[in-house]
Amino acid sequence: ETGVTQTPRHLVMGMTNKKSLKCEQHLGHNAMYWYKQSAKKPLELMFVYSLEERVENNSVPSRFSPECPNSSHLFLHLHTLQPEDSALYLCASSQGTGDNEKLFFGSGTQLSVL
Amino acid sequence: AQTVTQSQPEMSVQEAETVTLSCTYDTSESDYYLFWYKQPPSRQMILVIRQEAYKQQNATENRFSVNFQKAAKSFSLKISDSQLGDAAMYFCAYRSPGGYQKVTFGTGTKLQVIP
Repeated sequence: ETGVTQTPRHLVMGMTNKKSLKCEQHLGHNAMYWYKQSAKKPLELMFVYSLEERVENNSVPSRFSPECPNSSHLFLHLHTLQPEDSALYLCASSQGTGDNEKLFFGSGTQLSVL
Repeated sequence: AQTVTQSQPEMSVQEAETVTLSCTYDTSESDYYLFWYKQPPSRQMILVIRQEAYKQQNATENRFSVNFQKAAKSFSLKISDSQLGDAAMYFCAYRSPGGYQKVTFGTGTKLQVIP
């Protein structure tokens, strides 16, 4: 079992659909992150949660809505997406915020918006 | 804002040979952290090696080593005795000290290992 699990692995949705991405970490970490990975572009940090509180929103459009109900789970709710939102969405976690911490990633959800 | 540049979109290496992946970055900070991440076809990003800017000694992890040139803002990754399992996307990344793990990534280099 990997430390960070993301579901679904693949998702195809229309622009009017509402869907959610789920991330679960089994590492006892206190911080969780959403990253967007588009082809030939650097990974973009979207959101950071620490102890279930959102501490960073990197100018992400409101059609992406994160939720962190507890320190083990992180969701990304999607609605009225655009085709340019098609990308790999990666979840990550870290124990804390210290300089010796490192990120642990999941395998991502490959999202296609039609 | 910090930027990370990987100028080699694709590289190839013969199995058992050595390959070097390039990375440059731009920052005005004097203290920071640099990373190389590997993303195999499974898509899970895995930390390969990490370097603290205040350390002059280059980091090494088994077959992986870095050449950190702070003045030149260069951070290359050398993979020795390349193996088929090394085939992946490799991302160079930068992080400022303190705060959360807000890592800035490069665009990646796709490494092909030829049997």
